Amino acid sequence: DAKTTQPTSMDCAEGRAANLPCNHSTISGNEYVYWYRQIHSQGPQYIIHGLKNNETNEMASLIITEDRKSSTLILPHATLRDTAVYYCIVRLNAGKSTFGDGTTLTVKP
Amino acid sequence: NAGVTQTPKFQVLKTGQSMTLQCAQDMNHEYMSWYRQDPGMGLRLIHYSVGAGITDQGEVPNGYNVSRSTTEDFPLRLLSAAPSQTSVYFCASSYSRRAYEQYFGPGTRLTVT
Repeated sequence: DAKTTQPTSMDCAEGRAANLPCNHSTISGNEYVYWYRQIHSQGPQYIIHGLKNNETNEMASLIITEDRKSSTLILPHATLRDTAVYYCIVRLNAGKSTFGDGTTLTVKP
Repeated sequence: NAGVTQTPKFQVLKTGQSMTLQCAQDMNHEYMSWYRQDPGMGLRLIHYSVGAGITDQGEVPNGYNVSRSTTEDFPLRLLSAAPSQTSVYFCASSYSRRAYEQYFGPGTRLTVT
């Protein structure tokens, strides 16, 4: 599995965009990038995934660099309820994902 | 659908005791897995199953057993509890091994004294 590196913590002002980076320089060609989040010790929640192209859904956008060595999860208008730990996972098989320590995002009023 | 359910929510065990953590899903998912999460850390995979009758080890399987007799249920057994097994345990399921989205249960908080 490709190793991922995320900042330990980030702050964001409510209503502003939250941009969470992830480095995955050893990613292989058929590995996907997934993002999950965990709110206050609940079970993790799937957010989005992508292979090469940028992706967008109702929760977030995922920007993957052309060389696929890094990606950014974007929450376009962060709310207090988006305060959580965000996990970037790189894996061929999502079912056997291993979660690192993630980024603790704190959205402040 | 109830999704992924786990029981109990909380449990305290003494060292050496055994117990079973229950996990069930009503989404007809083939793939189920167990994770543990120690304080301030990410999730680590314990065991997983790609279908009824098929299980395999994850990253940290020692001290745990699993079985998958039905599609719906995937219990995790602690054979002889140790303080190092104090953790929060999450069960997850997905449509298949190659499905991108996993659904997680609410967790079981286990303390071993």
